[in-house]
Amino acid sequence: GAVVSQHPSRVICKSGTSVKIECRSLDFQATTMFWYRQFPKKSLMLMATSNEGSKATYEQGVEKDKFLINHASLTLSTLTVTSAHPEDSSFYICSASRGGDGNTIYFGEGSWLTVV
Amino acid sequence: SQQGEEDPQALSIQEGENATMNCSYKTSINNLQWYRQNSGRGLVHLILIRSNEREKHSGRLRVTLDTSKKSSSLLITASRAADTASYFCATDDDTGKLIFGQGTTLQVKP
Repeated sequence: GAVVSQHPSRVICKSGTSVKIECRSLDFQATTMFWYRQFPKKSLMLMATSNEGSKATYEQGVEKDKFLINHASLTLSTLTVTSAHPEDSSFYICSASRGGDGNTIYFGEGSWLTVV
Repeated sequence: SQQGEEDPQALSIQEGENATMNCSYKTSINNLQWYRQNSGRGLVHLILIRSNEREKHSGRLRVTLDTSKKSSSLLITASRAADTASYFCATDDDTGKLIFGQGTTLQVKP
């Protein structure tokens, strides 16, 4: 079956540094991927829609300069948290829509980011 | 943005009992999906119900959808300790974009 892979699954970084999270569709091409953020014991909040070959579409309240999204190929979207702060610590999870497959949505396993 | 509310926020039952979770949403939808999430893990897709469907079954799961009330329910019958998890409803607009509800944390005691 289709698989979406996220890497790294866990990352710890220092305040002020940037960290990149990758989301890959392993056996299908995804023109659109989605990035969500989840705080402990909370629900998933859609951050942005990643569009292959064009700019990402950010949800209201999400800082596009802080959360850089690049979707350079049909199988890879990256989320870069720039100048990370402790309040950016969260669970980030991506999804990809296969399209033409009942628009089945596949989720990655998520990435835990801890900023110290 | 969150689509709506889920209730209860937390539910604790004994193994063998049924668990019912409710979800309300605000806008019109194409589909409504239910997901399960074990603590600190990714999401597992449970069931999708289309806006023109009223009820759907999958194993021990039963989902209903009332578009006039903008609400859905998830029933897990004969619960097991392994069903302990958080459950989320999510509405989608057929683009792949999901808007999640607040979620219900279910604990099934052995």
